[in-house]
Amino acid sequence: EQLVQSGGGLVKPGGSLRLSCVGSGFIFTNAWMSWVRQAPGKGLEWIGRIKSRQDGGTTDDITGVRGRFIISRDDSKSTVFLQMSGLRIEDTGVYYCATGLIGLDAWGQGTTVTVSS
Amino acid sequence: FILTQPHSVSGSPGQTVTISCTRSSGNIGSKYVQWYQHRPGSPPITVIEEDDQRPPGVPDRFSGSIDPSSNSASLSISGLVPEDEADYYCQSYDSNSLILGGGTKLTV
Repeated sequence: EQLVQSGGGLVKPGGSLRLSCVGSGFIFTNAWMSWVRQAPGKGLEWIGRIKSRQDGGTTDDITGVRGRFIISRDDSKSTVFLQMSGLRIEDTGVYYCATGLIGLDAWGQGTTVTVSS
Repeated sequence: FILTQPHSVSGSPGQTVTISCTRSSGNIGSKYVQWYQHRPGSPPITVIEEDDQRPPGVPDRFSGSIDPSSNSASLSISGLVPEDEADYYCQSYDSNSLILGGGTKLTV
């Protein structure tokens, strides 16, 4: 299993950013895909996931990002996306994609998001 | 529910350390617990899955267990080596989310 992330960078408060994560080495269409972040000096925080299409393709997320972050997937490209809008300074951190149903079996390399004026 | 871990633990090379993970509500045995090792600059890796199973490639110095009496899970690392120095996170789940503990910094 391999996950390769792209996107990230510096954005002003209130701005938007889209992260991408391409999976290989496993059957992506069957995979539940999560996003996890780590703010500077803090622990890992699971922020949400998208289920496989066969399991409904629905998303779950934490209250802190609801309405601002959207997780989607394009199975034809084996890619999961994290569309972030209304970014806040406290959204700064390293963002990881990961795959797994009850756990996080494989992780992307991480990408840094910096929200600053 | 939340998962509570000690902020830090330490041990000398060759020693054994144990990191606890206490579930605030609901039975610890009702959902599997996973453990991740996270070194700075690298993505986390799974060292224990499904309470006590080691993924391929993880040394048998790593072991996991659950204790219903204390409603907690534990990760034990024996024969400590300097490379074990990292942050360790426990993780479980409910019907709508994955839950991560706050992390424990292991110093060797």
